[in-house]
Amino acid sequence: AQTVTQSQPEMSVQEAETVTLSCTYDTSESDYYLFWYKQPPSRQMILVIRQEAYKQQNATENRFSVNFQKAAKSFSLKISDSQLGDAAMYFCAYRSEDQAGTALIFGKGTTLSVSS
Amino acid sequence: NAGVMQNPRHLVRRRGQEARLRCSPMKGHSHVYWYRQLPEEGLKFMVYLQKENIIDESGMPKERFSAEFPKEGPSILRIQQVVRGDSAAYFCASSPLVGAGGYTFGSGTRLTVV
Repeated sequence: AQTVTQSQPEMSVQEAETVTLSCTYDTSESDYYLFWYKQPPSRQMILVIRQEAYKQQNATENRFSVNFQKAAKSFSLKISDSQLGDAAMYFCAYRSEDQAGTALIFGKGTTLSVSS
Repeated sequence: NAGVMQNPRHLVRRRGQEARLRCSPMKGHSHVYWYRQLPEEGLKFMVYLQKENIIDESGMPKERFSAEFPKEGPSILRIQQVVRGDSAAYFCASSPLVGAGGYTFGSGTRLTVV
């Protein structure tokens, strides 16, 4: 069975600085998808970034980028130029490529605080 | 184009009562997933449904919990005879028939059992 591990329960960063959130996963599959979701206090789950395992190029979305190391099964999220609005809980998630409707497997999350 | 709609946003039930949580997927999405989030935890998969079919219920507790996604109307997660341990946030997500996109989540229903 696949597992997702986020080893940092809490992280903090100052405005305008860069922070990296760690995520590792365990799978025997070669094709899969990885995601980072943001959950602010409103509780809404917001998709931040997505990575297909078959792509070597790391995904980027504006200030958000990932460092995907397939051999090491590592998928970290880098937030550049941090803003107060980035404060939230961040979840790393895995999805198998086997079926179109396969459920997501989540890590326990990292709470990110941003100070001015 | 409305997103995934969940209601109610908050639900309070006494022990032993029934809780019904509703989820309307995004337009064009035919796959619905229910997840449960306990305090300080990530989301745990419960059940995956398509219209009139339960595809995967491996994450559902064996008793008291059931889910449906009828031909017409929203998907329903039903919890009978609720206990304090059922208190959690319940999220619904939907996805299109095919595709590698991340799922779209609703805002969740916070169930409190008193």
